[in-house]
Amino acid sequence: DVKVTQSSRYLVKRTGEKVFLECVQDMDHENMFWYRQDPGLGLRLIYFSYDVKMKEKGDIPEGYSVSREKKERFSLILESASTNQTSMYLCASSLASDGDEQFFGPGTRLTVL
Amino acid sequence: KNQVEQSPQSLIILEGKNCTLQCNYTVSPFSNLRWYKQDTGRGPVSLTIMTFSENTKSNGRYTATLDADTKQSSLHITASQLSDSASYICVVSASYGNKLVFGAGTILRVKS
Repeated sequence: DVKVTQSSRYLVKRTGEKVFLECVQDMDHENMFWYRQDPGLGLRLIYFSYDVKMKEKGDIPEGYSVSREKKERFSLILESASTNQTSMYLCASSLASDGDEQFFGPGTRLTVL
Repeated sequence: KNQVEQSPQSLIILEGKNCTLQCNYTVSPFSNLRWYKQDTGRGPVSLTIMTFSENTKSNGRYTATLDADTKQSSLHITASQLSDSASYICVVSASYGNKLVFGAGTILRVKS
């Protein structure tokens, strides 16, 4: 079974802090994704990566950056956390592109005070 | 604009009853449509995938339908169980790049 793990299930940070969310997948998938999920809005794509050291902006990249130094690991960075970044963050991976099934991690509930 | 709309927003049914969730989309060009189930506190898990040529697909008590002409899909749950309580998300893939369009989801609660 594909397994996608995220470093924390719950995280509380203060405004202005730098926040790192880490995601690891164990199925040698090419593609990895970061989403945020807010009530009534569905999942929105922040960034994705289709190869090591490659990254592409999604629909809402402002205030976020990412890093993919190894194939299995994809990190989301909030350079200076703000209260409007309080959300559920979901990481996903897929074997290839164009509609392949995405496998999701359990999510990180981030609260910025 | 590529959009996916789901209805109803939320639904409460009694255990053992059937229900149908709706998904309308405007994504073009269409590649496939997936229904995901997301349990509380967990990430979404794929239930079914529908391609352009498929009308109906079943996965146990879950049956998905697709009408590519009207751009509508439904997810029918038969003989609901308490464990069916979850959010159900419709996701449509466009035929280019990594573009997925997510619906906002339908929250289903099955009560005894």
